[in-house]
Amino acid sequence: DTGVSQNPRHKITKRGQNVTFRCDPISEHNRLYWYRQTLGQGPEFLTYFQNEAQLEKSRLLSDRFSAERPKGSFSTLEIQRTEQGDSAMYLCASSPGQMLPIYFGEGSWLTVV
Amino acid sequence: DAKTTQPNSMESNEEEPVHLPCNHSTISGTDYIHWYRQLPSQGPEYVIHGLTSNVNNRMASLAIAEDRKSSTLILHRATLRDAAVYYCILRDPAFGNEKLTFGTGTRLTIIP
Repeated sequence: DTGVSQNPRHKITKRGQNVTFRCDPISEHNRLYWYRQTLGQGPEFLTYFQNEAQLEKSRLLSDRFSAERPKGSFSTLEIQRTEQGDSAMYLCASSPGQMLPIYFGEGSWLTVV
Repeated sequence: DAKTTQPNSMESNEEEPVHLPCNHSTISGTDYIHWYRQLPSQGPEYVIHGLTSNVNNRMASLAIAEDRKSSTLILHRATLRDAAVYYCILRDPAFGNEKLTFGTGTRLTIIP
């Protein structure tokens, strides 16, 4: 399967701990996106990369959140000092170009206890 | 971003056509109409998109009103696998406007 791959798929962490999610986009897709989704809601945009450049960040991305895409390939999303409100599914997506379809991974579920 | 309005939920019988409506009365001339769906416990999946003309692909058809203030996603023969939340989203190709803005979508239930 050459779709968007996310790891880990599930993570349970204690409040205050740091967590990191990894996303491997579809090969040669230069655009990469992170979204967050809570139960009953549609996905909410967090941030967007074109190659290694982070071009847009949502106000939802507080200073505890950081995303990187160091070589324009895989990306990581780190959450520092997790809070219970961070519990959600974190979705990664990629696209080969502007206005083309965006392909989503299956998501990484985070539970903060 | 221009806003879309969709019914919260719809039901349809298996093997019958399904028409999912979307209102977007504030659509701009450059907004594309995109549809994505999300099956349970999965990420969203691209379905179809269009600008002015009706569009067909292997998954569905998109019928766009002449004034572009509404559109309808048509599943020609629903299967149980089509049970999902369907999102109607407007995308403006203006430079830098890359993100999808999801609403709460329409939850489609297929009755066997």
